[in-house]
Amino acid sequence: AQKITQTQPGMFVQEKEAVTLDCTYDTSDQSYGLFWYKQPSSGEMIFLIYQGSYDEQNATEGRYSLNFQKARKSANLVISASQLGDSAMYFCAMREWGGGTSYGKLTFGQGTILTVHP
Amino acid sequence: DVKVTQSSRYLVKRTGEKVFLECVQDMDHENMFWYRQDPGLGLRLIYFSYDVKMKEKGDIPEGYSVSREKKERFSLILESASTNQTSMYLCASSDNYEQYFGPGTRLTVT
Repeated sequence: AQKITQTQPGMFVQEKEAVTLDCTYDTSDQSYGLFWYKQPSSGEMIFLIYQGSYDEQNATEGRYSLNFQKARKSANLVISASQLGDSAMYFCAMREWGGGTSYGKLTFGQGTILTVHP
Repeated sequence: DVKVTQSSRYLVKRTGEKVFLECVQDMDHENMFWYRQDPGLGLRLIYFSYDVKMKEKGDIPEGYSVSREKKERFSLILESASTNQTSMYLCASSDNYEQYFGPGTRLTVT
């Protein structure tokens, strides 16, 4: 079963508008973490934001915020005031502890390609 | 500044060749990972290592092996390259929180 699902293969947004990238996850663990990474066309993976399963507040980092809805098992990324440089592939990922150490292992979704139009 | 480096950005090999992909990190992390990235499939874990000489299979280990003789270096080995191993390969290291990625190696097997 797919543990991380990103249902939007591609998204388009106008510069300066906000955009939401969807991510749903599946886990039976109580302790887990959710990550978003950005991958520009150059290929490097850039860490954007993290949400722990016990965090009560939604995570925010500058123009990035994570809309965490635990009961619905969703962790959507919201980018406010989109910029041309936001055009990239975005990956949602999850780390589970399963009662032991995770070694930092992540499970990734399929990714969403975001294109920002001027 | 944290750094993960990979030996090549682009590599072209022939079917049946033995291929070595090298990854080095300078953050003294215990955990290191090899992924392959294919369109529509995201990143899939091939192998990871949680200590020197320790390794565990990921989700798609078939056709690959790994070596970790020193803490900073984690190598991915394709014993006999095949065309279905044409892909982008990403190495990462982790401090049990965030993963730090290398720039990737785009491998083409002809």
